Amino acid sequence: TQLLEQSPQFLSIQEGENLTVYCNSSSVFSSLQWYRQEPGEGPVLLVTVVTGGEVKKLKRLTFQFGDARKDSSLHITAAQPGDTGLYLCAGDLRAGGTSYGKLTFGQGTILTVHP
Amino acid sequence: ETGVTQSPTHLIKTRGQQVTLRCSSQSGHNTVSWYQQALGQGPQFIFQYYREEENGRGNFPPRFSGLQFPNYSSELNVNALELDDSALYLCASSLDRRIYEQYFGPGTRLTVT
Repeated sequence: TQLLEQSPQFLSIQEGENLTVYCNSSSVFSSLQWYRQEPGEGPVLLVTVVTGGEVKKLKRLTFQFGDARKDSSLHITAAQPGDTGLYLCAGDLRAGGTSYGKLTFGQGTILTVHP
Repeated sequence: ETGVTQSPTHLIKTRGQQVTLRCSSQSGHNTVSWYQQALGQGPQFIFQYYREEENGRGNFPPRFSGLQFPNYSSELNVNALELDDSALYLCASSLDRRIYEQYFGPGTRLTVT
């Protein structure tokens, strides 16, 4: 059972286009992170969102955490070839106030931005 | 401040063999988490070590074991290797079990033939 569902799995766009990646769960997360991973490297943390309804901006990237803390989105404006990579969402799953102490990852979205 | 390092970078083993992967945590970090990432998938949590004690484990069999040393570096050991163990093994370090502030190493690519 996949606790975090990411969509779409693959995204191929032209430079300059906008895109949104979604991360959904039926479970509540105390925090949620977005990572970017390039081939042969480990994931690099982009942002952590903690509060329901929170919106964070990082240059052309906008991250949103759902009000119920069960979903999140990553929006990229005017995508560039350098944005190409695997985007992963990961959540700190808690139930009944107890943290499981591990990050649960989505399956990732492979983004390709063509010049 | 040095980042998370892992060794070796690549490894090829035969089914049934044993393997040890190593991770040096970022300076000042006392927590190391290990993940397995199959091709085309997100990382799966294996276990976490905090101050030399195991602090949580994912759905992996006992042939996956680990250690954390006094300097907070860590090892992941896998016995009786299976073909499905072929994956990128990632370690991530953090301070005081803060999994929302983890920093990943580059990973070890393990191929089991």
